[in-house]
Amino acid sequence: AQSVTQLGSHVSVSEGALVLLRCNYSSSVPPYLFWYVQYPNQGLQLLLKYTSAATLVKGINGFEAEFKKSETSFHLTKPSAHMSDAAEYFCAPGLAGNMLTFGGGTRLMVKP
Amino acid sequence: DSGVTQTPKHLITATGQRVTLRCSPRSGDLSVYWYQQSLDQGLQFLIQYYNGEERAKGNILERFSAQQFPDLHSELNLSSLELGDSALYFCASSARQVSEQYFGPGTRLTVT
Repeated sequence: AQSVTQLGSHVSVSEGALVLLRCNYSSSVPPYLFWYVQYPNQGLQLLLKYTSAATLVKGINGFEAEFKKSETSFHLTKPSAHMSDAAEYFCAPGLAGNMLTFGGGTRLMVKP
Repeated sequence: DSGVTQTPKHLITATGQRVTLRCSPRSGDLSVYWYQQSLDQGLQFLIQYYNGEERAKGNILERFSAQQFPDLHSELNLSSLELGDSALYFCASSARQVSEQYFGPGTRLTVT
């Protein structure tokens, strides 16, 4: 079954620093890959979606992710962290039938 | 605001009781999904409905059931509640079978 692994349950960066959140999918290429963000006490919000049309995907709030088949990765990046980026981030493959199997999540902390 | 609404926001009940969680999808979305989020299990897919029919089942307990009504709203019924059922329950909707999902704000269930 398709799954993803998110390396690092907690990531801490300084404000203005590069954000890198890692996601690796299992060997077969899923038709879709998603990144979602969950702010405290809120539901999940779609950040971006990979659909094989382009390997570099731009999302909301300055985030982007690059699909690398050779590395089975779909890491999420942002050039400069902002305090408002503090949240939990989830990677998920889109499967046939569309149920989402989420990674364990990465909590991003941003230090002033 | 994703356009997906869930009621109630909070629910506190006792063990052995039964509760119903309600979800209204975004206008025009035919698919509804239910997820459970807990500290020990993370985000888990429970069940999916598409245009009134059950389409996929995940880790849903036999004590739990769901349905989608002709107006496309959905209800998740949880019975014989146990302490371990305390969690956030999210509903999501999507326009088509395989597309991005939009999440509601969740219902926080506390079983005492």
